[in-house]
Amino acid sequence: GAGVSQSPSNKVTEKGKDVELRCDPISGHTALYWYRQSLGQGLEFLIYFQGNSAPDKSGLPSDRFSAERTGGSVSTLTIQRTQQEDSAVYLCASSLQPGGTDTQYFGPGTRLTVL
Amino acid sequence: QKEVEQDPGPLSVPEGAIVSLNCTYSNSAFQYFMWYRQYSRKGPELLMYTYSSGNKEDGRFTAQVDKSSKYISLFIRDSQPSDSATYLCAMRAGGGNKLTFGTGTQLKVEL
Repeated sequence: GAGVSQSPSNKVTEKGKDVELRCDPISGHTALYWYRQSLGQGLEFLIYFQGNSAPDKSGLPSDRFSAERTGGSVSTLTIQRTQQEDSAVYLCASSLQPGGTDTQYFGPGTRLTVL
Repeated sequence: QKEVEQDPGPLSVPEGAIVSLNCTYSNSAFQYFMWYRQYSRKGPELLMYTYSSGNKEDGRFTAQVDKSSKYISLFIRDSQPSDSATYLCAMRAGGGNKLTFGTGTQLKVEL
């Protein structure tokens, strides 16, 4: 079946502009995660959605970052007033249900470059 | 100090070699341990998933967890050029949801 998809695959923007990144999780997966992968930093957790529960936003680096998940499916990560340090690959993952031995399946990522 | 430490490499080995990849961690709450493989410009894909201390084998891959030492390893036997990728260790606390990753080790298997 279809895996996690993300769009766009690449995004180049100018400092100060807002960007929106989209994630389509695997159908039926209730949990959705956003991570950021920067050079030399590994993957860093940003935010987690589970069903209708309040999201875990503990990894968002600043209030310029926000995310929503509509209808328990598609998610959008928004970065306002982008800065050069926001340049990274943004990865989305989904899992059938959280906890225990659930497996997180990753999308291909969106490569964001802020000039 | 990071919660999970992983040597970034790069690690270069000849085809057929046994590869050992390692991570150490400091958070005793970590209960679930994973190894992901990531090819260039692709998302990570799960290779191995372990819960308890000890060894778990899957084909050419063996994952080892030593909770007392807070140390995990991934062994690749008979390495192939197709194994060339970045290997990421990841961990999750019991009852937690987010994964905490190492920085990844870049592996190159040469002909």
